[in-house]
Amino acid sequence: EIVMTQSPATLSVSPGERATLSCRASQSVSSKLAWYQQKPGQAPRLLMYGASTRATGVPARFSGSGSGTEFTLTISSLQSEDFAVYYCQQYNNWPPWTFGQGTKVEIK
Amino acid sequence: EVQLVESGGGLVQPGGSLRLSCAASGFTFNRHSMNWLRQAPGKGLEWLSYINDNSGTIYYADSVKGRFTISRDNAKNSLFLQMNSLRDEDTAMYYCARLPLSYFDPFFDYWGQGALVTVSS
Repeated sequence: EIVMTQSPATLSVSPGERATLSCRASQSVSSKLAWYQQKPGQAPRLLMYGASTRATGVPARFSGSGSGTEFTLTISSLQSEDFAVYYCQQYNNWPPWTFGQGTKVEIK
Repeated sequence: EVQLVESGGGLVQPGGSLRLSCAASGFTFNRHSMNWLRQAPGKGLEWLSYINDNSGTIYYADSVKGRFTISRDNAKNSLFLQMNSLRDEDTAMYYCARLPLSYFDPFFDYWGQGALVTVSS
């Protein structure tokens, strides 16, 4: 089973600032990496797949990068609606599909 | 518009059973593989089970293998999760989620709003 590790656990950012979230896989997942956003009381929403392809309707301020074992989700200028928990998930070796433990982006 | 709507959650005693349903609309259900995932209160996401388009391939996470059964009814655009021998640690929000058509990109592109299952005496 591939273990996904996200850092930091919590990221405090002011609106308008840049946020950088990291995700590491215990072994290579190539570019088979997705990011999800989850707001309180809501289901997760697909943000990014293939490590760097934005899902339908996702604003251009979200970008993803990386391959192999190291990945990054960047939010270039945080908006109020971006404060949420973000999860990475690998789909290179399945089953099982595995997620990171999440990074909470909170208002500084 | 793709919609996934879970139902069937509730309070159940340890050792009891519950059957979750997921009603799908807005897409050709019988072409997509489907999954169940869950999220314990305040915790992260856990994949539970996968079923392909024709029910010919099914997978389970070790945590639920032998206790949970996934199934689907393509005629009724519905996905199910039969949960038996429930434990306290099965308390969670349960989500159904769709995989895209491409076999090579099995990420979860649409999720339902979830059904809450509470296991408690």
